[in-house]
Amino acid sequence: GAGVSQSPSNKVTEKGKDVELRCDPISGHTALYWYRQSLGQGLEFLIYFQGNSAPDKSGLPSDRFSAERTGGSVSTLTIQRTQQEDSAVYLCASSPGARNYGYTFGSGTRLTVV
Amino acid sequence: AQRVTQPEKLLSVFKGAPVELKCNYSYSGSPELFWYVQYSRQRLQLLLRHISRESIKGFTADLNKGETSFHLKKPFAQEEDSAMYYCALVGGSNYKLTFGKGTLLTVNP
Repeated sequence: GAGVSQSPSNKVTEKGKDVELRCDPISGHTALYWYRQSLGQGLEFLIYFQGNSAPDKSGLPSDRFSAERTGGSVSTLTIQRTQQEDSAVYLCASSPGARNYGYTFGSGTRLTVV
Repeated sequence: AQRVTQPEKLLSVFKGAPVELKCNYSYSGSPELFWYVQYSRQRLQLLLRHISRESIKGFTADLNKGETSFHLKKPFAQEEDSAMYYCALVGGSNYKLTFGKGTLLTVNP
């Protein structure tokens, strides 16, 4: 596609529910990253994919968070049993390769847990 | 470990005044440094990277290894420069960017 696409753009969910956030990277970009953007916290790294594998999951806050990537393309970030502290903007970025840092970011998914 | 510090959460200047957004980093080797910008209601985007030694929209940034800094400067700020600015670092064989917490720049008319 022309850019990194994320859906939904906004999600309001009740505490305790599961949510899935989707990222469709630029076609041909092998590297994909998930970040979380919170007020006052900047951008927190969550997970990195190279192709379909995730060599670095170190940023996932807890075992309620998981992510997968299929076909070297679309990625899904899943948050189980959401908590209020999960409220944030979840950003996805892709780049042509692992050491190409000209990330292209999506517009993000704003998650609100009520 | 790699860390990026942006000491100012908020910075306000008048149009035409010089602006400097501070960035300090912690990394034992030779890092690559970047500035990203997010304008209101727009996506986060790359502004410049130190290896390119470029000037984008009048902004420049010099890597000072002695002071471990990568401050972003512009001699004459414009209202359209108002945005959130993030400094970011990647070190060695690492593959992910580490971001600072950002500085919200407001340029007043």
